[in-house]
Amino acid sequence: AAGVIQSPRHLIKEKRETATLKCYPIPRHDTVYWYQQGPGQDPQFLISFYEKMQSDKGSIPDRFSAQQFSDYHSELNMSSLELGDSALYFCASSPGGLEEQYFGPGTRLTVT
Amino acid sequence: DQQVKQNSPSLSVQEGRISILNCDYTNSMFDYFLWYKKYPAEGPTFLISISSIKDKNEDGRFTVFLNKSAKHLSLHIVPSQPGDSAVYFCAAKGGATSGTYKYIFGTGTRLKVLA
Repeated sequence: AAGVIQSPRHLIKEKRETATLKCYPIPRHDTVYWYQQGPGQDPQFLISFYEKMQSDKGSIPDRFSAQQFSDYHSELNMSSLELGDSALYFCASSPGGLEEQYFGPGTRLTVT
Repeated sequence: DQQVKQNSPSLSVQEGRISILNCDYTNSMFDYFLWYKKYPAEGPTFLISISSIKDKNEDGRFTVFLNKSAKHLSLHIVPSQPGDSAVYFCAAKGGATSGTYKYIFGTGTRLKVLA
């Protein structure tokens, strides 16, 4: 069965650089969620999209932005990267936001 | 302000015995609860869920119990197997009335099943 695809799997950036993370949801899932998991921490909700519109917002810094495209894939754009942005970034998808969320493998971002 | 808490950061259980993982929450608006299992460097994998209208849901070796009055849920794994060794997260979701579908995760419990 198709799963959530995230790219890249690993990313190394320097401080003040920008990064773009991509998420391809499971086919026919119209809702995408982004989570950030720091070392030794639980996943923290960042933002979600339903039918290409932002549906919920969590602890996403102003330096980050995200969008969902017409094919339902989503991109998380991160600018002016800081060392504290180093984390695992998970994308999850669900059909309509009413079911269980299925997580991708994550993108490990390292900011040096 | 941690709305979903897992007070045991780690748990060791002998193979074949029961593993019980606990989770407490504070927000009475949560109406759907889930348990996820996570291996290192992988995304969380959905295990089992329970709606707030139920008090028990069973799926194979996994059973989730919900005590709404105590705002407590638990995951029972019987019998425990070495492959169950992972970090387990409970997560809670607010329903339509709360206007949000995001998950709030607990801090995780690392389960180690000893052979």
